[in-house]
Amino acid sequence: DAKTTQPPSMDCAEGRAANLPCNHSTISGNEYVYWYRQIHSQGPQYIIHGLKNNETNEMASLIITEDRKSSTLILPHATLRDTAVYYCIVRVGFQKLVFGTGTRLLVSP
Amino acid sequence: IAGITQAPTSQILAAGRRMTLRCTQDMRHNAMYWYRQDLGLGLRLIHYSNTAGTTGKGEVPDGYSVSRANTDDFPLTLASAVPSQTSVYFCASSLLAGDSGELFFGEGSRLTVL
Repeated sequence: DAKTTQPPSMDCAEGRAANLPCNHSTISGNEYVYWYRQIHSQGPQYIIHGLKNNETNEMASLIITEDRKSSTLILPHATLRDTAVYYCIVRVGFQKLVFGTGTRLLVSP
Repeated sequence: IAGITQAPTSQILAAGRRMTLRCTQDMRHNAMYWYRQDLGLGLRLIHYSNTAGTTGKGEVPDGYSVSRANTDDFPLTLASAVPSQTSVYFCASSLLAGDSGELFFGEGSRLTVL
């Protein structure tokens, strides 16, 4: 099963782009990369997912390297409300997403 | 607003007692899941159900049981609670088990076992 590696914490200034990296070197060809975030003690919230092409939605952009061994989540203009723990997940098995410990992003004024 | 409702939001429980955490969704999602979240360990899957009438074991199923009698409800039962089951429990659902990776989460149930 593919695992992910993320830095435990990152800082970002408000209004700047936040670039959150994730390594998933053992990803297999049919596994998607998903990003979720968890704000304070709320339930996790879906952000974006992709297979091999870059993806963009109203929340973020996802950049996946050509070899698919790593990806970057980009929040183009971070706000204070983006302070959260961000989880990079590779789909494991039959619809059983496995969450790691994520990256704690702190957005400061 | 449609979504997932969990109850109770928090509970303190004596060790050895039986406890059922309730989870209801009104999105007609086929798949439902129970996770526990502990400091430093992220979210770990306890049990899941791909469709009504079926259930499966996740990463940490011991001490827990689930049932899926209908589409909307997915209760999690601790038959005899132990202090190591102190945690925050999240219920989640997805439209399809095999295709969609987007999980919708409830707000969590904080359980303390003394």
